[in-house]
Amino acid sequence: RKEVEQDPGPFNVPEGATVAFNCTYSNSASQSFFWYRQDCRKEPKLLMSVYSSGNEDGRFTAQLNRASQYISLLIRDSKLSDSATYLCVVNNGFYGGSQGNLIFGKGTKLSVKP
Amino acid sequence: NAGVTQTPKFQVLKTGQSMTLQCAQDMNHEYMSWYRQDPGMGLRLIHYSVGAGITDQGEVPNGYNVSRSTTEDFPLRLLSAAPSQTSVYFCASSYYRGGQGEQFFGPGTRLTVL
Repeated sequence: RKEVEQDPGPFNVPEGATVAFNCTYSNSASQSFFWYRQDCRKEPKLLMSVYSSGNEDGRFTAQLNRASQYISLLIRDSKLSDSATYLCVVNNGFYGGSQGNLIFGKGTKLSVKP
Repeated sequence: NAGVTQTPKFQVLKTGQSMTLQCAQDMNHEYMSWYRQDPGMGLRLIHYSVGAGITDQGEVPNGYNVSRSTTEDFPLRLLSAAPSQTSVYFCASSYYRGGQGEQFFGPGTRLTVL
């Protein structure tokens, strides 16, 4: 089983749709969780961290289920500008001692159409 | 702040040539990393550093060397380029304090080895 697995997509949705991204991770000792966004031929950028209690940032909602080792990202009222690849990222170690333990999923591509 | 800068943006090498990819950050981050991104493979960690003078191997270190003589700079050296090293290379710097952290990526170097 891969360490971080995402639906490869692509997801093609109309503007205004709600889109859900799912991610599972294999290491139950994983410490922290993130969603990154990567535009075509650009570098990844942090979209949001994912907290145990769930968190929301405008149209974006992230959820974590440690028991199921499952992370989700929900985008409501999607915009054309949301078109990008969304990367699920897991930190398997104590950051200070093993910063290199950020594990990236392969990403899910989203295309929002007018 | 310039953030994370990488040079060159594009490079073509012949098999067996060596070269150094440059990376610099001006955010005074302790942690720096090098990743490669290949189609269908996601981001994979090559080497990382938790501070000046300290480096360690990531998931795919073979064929690459790094050094960290200053906090700001983290160059990646390809010893003898091979076609399998054709990829997009991203450098990142990061902080982690009080349970929060974020990785900042450079714009990437697109390397082709013929």
